[in-house]
Amino acid sequence: DAGVIQSPRHEVTEMGQEVTLRCKPISGHDYLFWYRQTMMRGLELLIYFNNNVPIDDSGMPEDRFSAKMPNASFSTLKIQPSEPRDSAVYFCASSFGTATYEQYFGPGTRLTVT
Amino acid sequence: AQSVSQHNHHVILSEAASLELGCNYSYGGTVNLFWYVQYPGQHLQLLLKYFSGDPLVKGIKGFEAEFIKSKFSFNLRKPSVQWSDTAEYFCAVNGSSNTGKLIFGQGTTLQVKP
Repeated sequence: DAGVIQSPRHEVTEMGQEVTLRCKPISGHDYLFWYRQTMMRGLELLIYFNNNVPIDDSGMPEDRFSAKMPNASFSTLKIQPSEPRDSAVYFCASSFGTATYEQYFGPGTRLTVT
Repeated sequence: AQSVSQHNHHVILSEAASLELGCNYSYGGTVNLFWYVQYPGQHLQLLLKYFSGDPLVKGIKGFEAEFIKSKFSFNLRKPSVQWSDTAEYFCAVNGSSNTGKLIFGQGTTLQVKP
């Protein structure tokens, strides 16, 4: 299996622009998680899905952030408009069921907003 | 609410020194516990996990962790560290809420000097 795939790996954009991050979970996994990692705040869970349905979005910072999962093999995290404080590494992770809770992480997208 | 506390934010050791990283969690019920590692520039990878049974868990690369229920702790250990162990280490917990959601600690940066 190719593992969790994220694109792009690096994104540099100007403040005010829309940013879309993409994730393809491991085939057969029914949970998908979006995390943000910064030096100041560490690893934060933004939102997670179960069977394509958002379960908990309490970690989403504000309305500028939105996430979708139109099908079992694809998810997006969108920031509109982006701000410099959104600069971080965004990780996607997936897992199978609740029996193991073991999450498999993607390589991350390093976002820089200037 | 569940929470995870990692006592050491930054640890510096010489090669061959012994390692112990502290992790405490707050949750009164049955828990599943994890240690993840993030090597420089890479994504998080699972080191080891505890679900039930023997409280001493052995993981990859010579790491082990001991679950002490009475102390709500799950400390990570390695008898002799190597320069290649330089990384950030995250403790995570999931309670029996069957949500698949992990709560991560703030992470501990380990620097091993050759």
